[in-house]
Amino acid sequence: GAGVSQSPSNKVTEKGKDVELRCDPISGHTALYWYRQSLGQGLEFLIYFQGNSAPDKSGLPSDRFSAERTGGSVSTLTIQRTQQEDSAVYLCASSLLRTGAATSYNEQFFGPGTRLTVL
Amino acid sequence: KQEVTQIPAALSVPEGENLVLNCSFTDSAIYNLQWFRQDPGKGLTSLLLIQSSQREQTSGRLNASLDKSSGRSTLYIAASQPGDSATYLCAVYTGNQFYFGTGTSLTVIP
Repeated sequence: GAGVSQSPSNKVTEKGKDVELRCDPISGHTALYWYRQSLGQGLEFLIYFQGNSAPDKSGLPSDRFSAERTGGSVSTLTIQRTQQEDSAVYLCASSLLRTGAATSYNEQFFGPGTRLTVL
Repeated sequence: KQEVTQIPAALSVPEGENLVLNCSFTDSAIYNLQWFRQDPGKGLTSLLLIQSSQREQTSGRLNASLDKSSGRSTLYIAASQPGDSATYLCAVYTGNQFYFGTGTSLTVIP
């Protein structure tokens, strides 16, 4: 079956331009997560979607970052007026959000990431 | 806030050796712990998931243990192979978020 896919795989942009990164989760997965991984750093949580709503936006580093999810499926992460410090790999993950007694079965599956370079 | 630490940050071993990677977390109120592998330039591949009620999980040459009360997990790799070379990350799930460690970079020397 298809896994999580992300596009583009690589994006080079000039400082000040806007970029859109796309994530296609595994079909039927209700939860979707965006992370950022800078060179030599761990994963930095950005935002989490449950269905189309984002109960946790606490990780977005600034108001230049926004994300949306439509139809409970595809998500887009938008970075406006990119800065050089935005250069990183942006990873998306999805999970079948189980609740109640089954919460402990929640397992994340990751896409291959988008490598963003801001010149 | 949950903090996840992995020690060592890097490890180099000769092929065939058994090894242990460590993961510790500060808040024991977790639902599960997941171990991942990340190859250079790639996304994360899930290796094992241990539910909070479990003490260990095994998959092939991998065995992961969980001691929730002490906030620790270990990933045991038996008979290491050069193909095991990668960065290994652990993550704990709190019901809201997944918190990740910074990883252990493993090199298995042929």
